Amino acid sequence: DTGVSQDPRHKITKRGQNVTFRCDPISEHNRLYWYRQTLGQGPEFLTYFQNEAQLEKSRLLSDRFSAERPKGSFSTLEIQRTEQGDSAMYLCASSYWGTTNTGELFFGEGSRLTVL
Amino acid sequence: AQKITQTQPGMFVQEKEAVTLDCTYDTSDPSYGLFWYKQPSSGEMIFLIYQGSYDQQNATEGRYSLNFQKARKSANLVISASQLGDSAMYFCAMREGRGNAGNMLTFGGGTRLMVKP
Repeated sequence: DTGVSQDPRHKITKRGQNVTFRCDPISEHNRLYWYRQTLGQGPEFLTYFQNEAQLEKSRLLSDRFSAERPKGSFSTLEIQRTEQGDSAMYLCASSYWGTTNTGELFFGEGSRLTVL
Repeated sequence: AQKITQTQPGMFVQEKEAVTLDCTYDTSDPSYGLFWYKQPSSGEMIFLIYQGSYDQQNATEGRYSLNFQKARKSANLVISASQLGDSAMYFCAMREGRGNAGNMLTFGGGTRLMVKP
């Protein structure tokens, strides 16, 4: 299967611990996005990359959050000193940015974080 | 102001009947795109249908069609012949700017659709 994959699917951690999520996009896609989704809400944009460059960050991305996409392939999202309010589903999506496309995003199944 | 508004938190529909899920949007950008995604309980967001702001015809994809009323800034999703597998959350989303220059999608709060046998 060549879809977007995320790891781990579920993570339970104690408050104050650091967690890292990984996303492997569709191989020919040059854009990669991170979203956060809390229960009963729509996804909220966090940040996106074009190749290895991080082009935009939401104000939701506090200084405890950092995202990287080395070499423009997979991406990691790290949350330091987790808080209970960080409990959410973290969704990764990718797309191909070119001259004739709609901007459709292809999503992974998400990484669910529970902070105790 | 909310950029995407979905006013129906939950909807029931009888199997084999059609259902309309409402979506209104707010933008001053003349170039934008509207999307509908389905999210089953497994969590993955599945793309259903797209409508560009300059498209003259309403988009259709199989049993899905998008009722695009530009002057009213609405982009309602119509699902015909509902199936039990259509039970899921449905999200309307908007991209502002052209597809090759625009950035992220902004999502509404979603509508939970439940199909009754």
